[in-house]
Amino acid sequence: SAVISQKPSRDICQRGTSLTIQCQVDSQVTMMFWYRQQPGQSLTLIATANQGSEATYESGFVIDKFPISRPNLTFSTLTVSNMSPEDSSIYLCSVDPSRGGLESWSSNEQFFGPGTRLTVL
Amino acid sequence: QKEVEQDPGPLSVPEGAIVSLNCTYSNSAFQYFMWYRQYSRKGPELLMYTYSSGNKEDGRFTAQVDKSSKYISLFIRDSQPSDSATYLCAMRANSGYALNFGKGTSLLVTP
Repeated sequence: SAVISQKPSRDICQRGTSLTIQCQVDSQVTMMFWYRQQPGQSLTLIATANQGSEATYESGFVIDKFPISRPNLTFSTLTVSNMSPEDSSIYLCSVDPSRGGLESWSSNEQFFGPGTRLTVL
Repeated sequence: QKEVEQDPGPLSVPEGAIVSLNCTYSNSAFQYFMWYRQYSRKGPELLMYTYSSGNKEDGRFTAQVDKSSKYISLFIRDSQPSDSATYLCAMRANSGYALNFGKGTSLLVTP
């Protein structure tokens, strides 16, 4: 398993400002993901962040709004830019420690961080 | 129509009851099916993972997948108050890594 920490755990921000969320993993992982969990909605993948390459964004999410850094195999940041109240959400990072095999228990596991609860006023 | 549908509940049961949680989906390409448990103000934790159709049992938990009906279930036997949480189903296709989540079902097990 992987132990993941996120900073900050929560924040209240003014509209128009930006917030950078940090995700730290206790082991080296290739694949890290950023999700958004809006009230009453499903967890939604924002982007995939692989070390050494540009982040890959899902439909509806763009780099200008959610720039991501992945400087090494244990750390990533997600910035929520030019925030509006609609960005109020929980933001979670997750990691997939293994991508091998089809049915092995170690594949298809995604471990999640505790989340960052963001409120935009 | 969303790809994954899950009744948000809340579902309230007495301690010791058998709990049935369900999701339906529309994308026939989904091959991997997971159940996550999320306690309040915590991140989701993986409970069970199943590939394609069939059953998998782990202690008090049983996951079932019926691909012909596009329907998955999680059964919790002898439910405990500590099982009170939100249960999220998730699934993905063979290719790619993006998980498609249901909205989650809130479960309360009362002593």
